[in-house]
Amino acid sequence: KAGVTQTPRYLIKTRGQQVTLSCSPISGHRSVSWYQQTPGQGLQFLFEYFSETQRNKGNFPGRFSGRQFSNSRSEMNVSTLELGDSALYLCASSLDPAGLYEQYFGPGTRLTVT
Amino acid sequence: GDSVTQMEGPVTLSEEAFLTINCTYTATGYPSLFWYVQYPGEGLQLLLKATKADDKGSNKGFEATYRKETTSFHLEKGSVQVSDSAVYFCALSLNTGGFKTIFGAGTRLFVKA
Repeated sequence: KAGVTQTPRYLIKTRGQQVTLSCSPISGHRSVSWYQQTPGQGLQFLFEYFSETQRNKGNFPGRFSGRQFSNSRSEMNVSTLELGDSALYLCASSLDPAGLYEQYFGPGTRLTVT
Repeated sequence: GDSVTQMEGPVTLSEEAFLTINCTYTATGYPSLFWYVQYPGEGLQLLLKATKADDKGSNKGFEATYRKETTSFHLEKGSVQVSDSAVYFCALSLNTGGFKTIFGAGTRLFVKA
């Protein structure tokens, strides 16, 4: 079974631009979560989608948004990029909609904002 | 708010030493608890989990017990190997209509031969 895939793996953008990251979950997994990982803040929860609905959101500004498609693939978008948005963005999928069991993580997209 | 606190690293041990990484949590409701591990150059992967009080999760010689009375989920291994060198993350997951997972800051472990 293929794992969680994320594209692109690396991205360099300039301040003020916007970016879209993509995540394909494991087949059959309907829950997708996004996280931001930085050396200073660690792993922080961005949002969680299930059946195309955002069910939970972390404490991030409105510049961070996401969506999920009917095939469970998900995208996240960051508008008006800031230097502080440089991070590893991780996507995780789960079979269990209640979050009681494990999440499977993708390799991440490393975003550098210059 | 909901949070996870784990001991700061790095932790440096000799091979075959005993490992403990402390983890405590604050949560409204009844979370599931997890330890995830990130090996050098690899993605985050689940090490073990416990979904209710007094459950013990175990995998690859690692163990952790869900202690509701002390709100803790400490990770232990009796004899570490060089291959255990990695970053370990304690996490909780809460169902609040959707679910969210909160991670600790991570503890880097170095094991010397």
